[in-house]
Amino acid sequence: NAGVTQTPKFQVLKTGQSMTLQCAQDMNHNSMYWYRQDPGMGLRLIYYSASEGTTDKGEVPNGYNVSRLNKREFSLRLESAAPSQTSVYFCASRGIDPAGYNEQFFGPGTRLTVL
Amino acid sequence: GQSLEQPSEVTAVEGAIVQINCTYQTSGFYGLSWYQQHDGGAPTFLSYNALDGLEETGRFSSFLSRSDSYGYLLLQELQMKDSASYFCAVRVWMDSSYKLIFGSGTRLLVRP
Repeated sequence: NAGVTQTPKFQVLKTGQSMTLQCAQDMNHNSMYWYRQDPGMGLRLIYYSASEGTTDKGEVPNGYNVSRLNKREFSLRLESAAPSQTSVYFCASRGIDPAGYNEQFFGPGTRLTVL
Repeated sequence: GQSLEQPSEVTAVEGAIVQINCTYQTSGFYGLSWYQQHDGGAPTFLSYNALDGLEETGRFSSFLSRSDSYGYLLLQELQMKDSASYFCAVRVWMDSSYKLIFGSGTRLLVRP
């Protein structure tokens, strides 16, 4: 199992450009999440998808859109990037680990810089 | 609103024991999770407490007191590889779904 994968790993954008961050999981999890992490801070929830076909706003949704393409894939789109969106973006899915805990599994992150 | 507080930094010596505290204010509380994150890496799950008391997983233990809105992560026999950031996160039921709300993290530095 690859777990949660994210592409790209790094990206530099100019203000106003758009891009889509891709996320996929192969653990057959229903719930998926997008977070951003700014330096020295915890993760803040942008959007989440409780199940295929549903998406909902988290704590900091402004400037972002999401698509739950199917059960495996959950993408995050920046329509018009701003310097304030410079951050590390983590995708996660939620499921049962081998010890029986219902936890979130995180991807490796996308480091985005907006100039 | 939702808020969590944990110390920003802790330093300890290899082989010692360290405790990282977390206090929270939240509604819809289900439990308290702990995640570890090495520099440049992704958060990884360490432990979860839904009920009061101590959960032990090897060198790591986690404690919860729901009445005090307080928990801690205890790391024993510290190793250099334990140098990382540790996040407490409350699991809440909100808007018909489970969510995690993260604290700002505690940076642990283990010295030789």
